Amino acid sequence: SAVISQKPSRDICQRGTSLTIQCQVDSQVTMMFWYRQQPGQSLTLIATANQGSEATYESGFVIDKFPISRPNLTFSTLTVSNMSPEDSSIYLCSVSLNFYTDTQYFGPGTRLTVL
Amino acid sequence: KNEVEQSPQNLTAQEGEFITINCSYSVGISALHWLQQHPGGGIVSLFMLSSGKKKHGRLIATINIQEKHSSLHITASHPRDSAVYICAVIPQGAQKLVFGQGTRLTINP
Repeated sequence: SAVISQKPSRDICQRGTSLTIQCQVDSQVTMMFWYRQQPGQSLTLIATANQGSEATYESGFVIDKFPISRPNLTFSTLTVSNMSPEDSSIYLCSVSLNFYTDTQYFGPGTRLTVL
Repeated sequence: KNEVEQSPQNLTAQEGEFITINCSYSVGISALHWLQQHPGGGIVSLFMLSSGKKKHGRLIATINIQEKHSSLHITASHPRDSAVYICAVIPQGAQKLVFGQGTRLTINP
């Protein structure tokens, strides 16, 4: 199994600022996923972060807005840049020890409110 | 049209009732996940399926690959089963999950 922690658990930020969210896993994993969950909605994949390579972003998400770091096999950060109220969401990271055969593990999420 | 559709979107039932949540998808898949999200946001994986049927306690998940359909059943439902249940698929050839919109289940005592 994998246990994921995220920091911060919640934050309230001002428009135009940036917030970096940390995701720490207790196991070494190749692939880490960052999701956004807007109020009342399901999860939307922002990007896939593999250690040693650039993150792969989904349509509608760009690196300038959501830069991601993946310095090692247990850690990743997602930055939400130049925030606006539309960025108010829960941001979650997720991993799997073997993506095609193993369960998915989700972090507890970071609840972001942008004023 | 979403690649993954769940029904119903909302379901309210009395304690003890048998619950069925459905998931239909329009693409070929490698596997399908059923997830549970409790108020407060934590997401837990219930099942991962690529064929057949799986059972864990009062929960049963089935999948019909030919019909592109999966169901999640809860027997003897309990108020603690109240949560959002999410179906997610791994499209063939993809390294990502595609999510349904979720089913909000409320079990009243």
